[in-house]
Amino acid sequence: AQSVTQLDSQVPVFEEAPVELRCNYSSSVSVYLFWYVQYPNQGLQLLLKYLSGSTLVKGINGFEAEFNKSQTSFHLRKPSVHISDTAEYFCAVSESSGNTGKLIFGQGTTLQVKP
Amino acid sequence: GAGVSQSPSNKVTEKGKDVELRCDPISGHTALYWYRQRLGQGLEFLIYFQGNSAPDKSGLPSDRFSAERTGESVSTLTIQRTQQEDSAVYLCASSLVWGAHTEAFFGQGTRLTVV
Repeated sequence: AQSVTQLDSQVPVFEEAPVELRCNYSSSVSVYLFWYVQYPNQGLQLLLKYLSGSTLVKGINGFEAEFNKSQTSFHLRKPSVHISDTAEYFCAVSESSGNTGKLIFGQGTTLQVKP
Repeated sequence: GAGVSQSPSNKVTEKGKDVELRCDPISGHTALYWYRQRLGQGLEFLIYFQGNSAPDKSGLPSDRFSAERTGESVSTLTIQRTQQEDSAVYLCASSLVWGAHTEAFFGQGTRLTVV
C-alpha cells in the first residue's frame, strides 16, 4: 500500500518570494508521482508528474519538483510566486506497475500568496 | 462539453435518504474514477471503471455506496441511507486510457451535505 504525507497544511508567502511545498511518500513498490493544483471554485488540474528519467521535473506556471528516491520525497518549488498561485496543492502517487491510474493523495497544502 | 461535468454541483439531503451523483466524462475517455474529499482531508479513492472490465471497488467505504457506468459514458454514484459522515465533495475524473502514467482530468465535484 502507498501513503502520501504533505508536511504543511498551510503555507503563507509574500508575492515574488520563493516557495517549497513538501511531499513525502511511502510505498513498497515503484510509484509514479504527481502534483495537482485546485484553484478556488475549479477542479483539480495536473501541474507536473514524474514517471522516469530526470529527477527534476518541470511543470506548468513555472513550478518544478524533484524526485528524491532515497528520501522518498517529491517537493514542489517555485522561485517566485504570484498572487494567482494562491490555491490548494495536492501531491499524489500511483503504483507504476499497476494497470490502473488509481491515485493516492496527500491531505493538501493551501498556498496563500500575500501582496 | 470539453471537460468532466458533474451534477448537481451542490446537494443537501436529509439523513437516511438516498442520493445519486452524476458524472459525464470527457468524450472518448475510457477510464473513470470517483474520489471523495472530506473537509480538511485529502482525496480518497472510491471506485474505478475501465471500459468493459470489472470495476475496482476497493475504495467504497460501505455497502451503502455503489456506482454504475454504461460503456464509456455517464457514471452515477449512489449513496443509500445517507449518514452525516457522508458529507463531502465527491469528485469524478476521467482519463484517455488506463494506466498509472496517464493524466486524470477532474470535474468540479458535487458538494454533498447530509443534515
